[in-house]
Amino acid sequence: AQSVTQLGSHVSVSEGALVLLRCNYSSSVPPYLFWYVQYPNQGLQLLLKYTSAATLVKGINGFEAEFKKSETSFHLTKPSAHMSDAAEYFCAVSDLGFGNEKLTFGTGTRLTIIP
Amino acid sequence: NAGVTQTPKFRVLKTGQSMTLLCAQDMNHEYMYWYRQDPGMGLRLIHYSVGEGTTAKGEVPDGYNVSRLKKQNFLLGLESAAPSQTSVYFCASSLRGYEQYFGPGTRLTVT
Repeated sequence: AQSVTQLGSHVSVSEGALVLLRCNYSSSVPPYLFWYVQYPNQGLQLLLKYTSAATLVKGINGFEAEFKKSETSFHLTKPSAHMSDAAEYFCAVSDLGFGNEKLTFGTGTRLTIIP
Repeated sequence: NAGVTQTPKFRVLKTGQSMTLLCAQDMNHEYMYWYRQDPGMGLRLIHYSVGEGTTAKGEVPDGYNVSRLKKQNFLLGLESAAPSQTSVYFCASSLRGYEQYFGPGTRLTVT
């Protein structure tokens, strides 16, 4: 079964600093990978997705992620953090090839921005 | 477009009571999902549906039932609520089963 591991349940960065949120996946077949963001008291919004096209994926709000098959990773980055980036971020994986319509989510990383 | 809506937004139940959570989407999506979110555990899939009249179990289905009588609606039922079902419940829908759109959530407390 597919799974994702998010390293670090809490990450703090200074405003203007690099944001790096880590996600490693386990999948027996080439996966689709997603990053979602959840702002306080809201549902999840899609940030970006990898669906086997370009390995560097650009998303909304200046975020991007790189799919590295050799490292089974899909880390999320943003060059310069903004106060509005404070939220919880979830990595998710979906297998191809099984007619699988389900996502498996990581446990989330809460991002705090220090003024 | 309202997207995905959930009713109610908040609810407090006593142990043993029953209730139904309603999810509605206006995007003509085939797939719909119910998740629960608990601190430190991410989102866990309760049940899902790949089309009108179909449902399937997810990761944590015990204590819940679902129905998908209309394509746009997906109902989640708790027949006899337990304190362990205190959680935030999210509904989601998808056109192709991968990119999911989420509702705002229902915060349920069982005392």
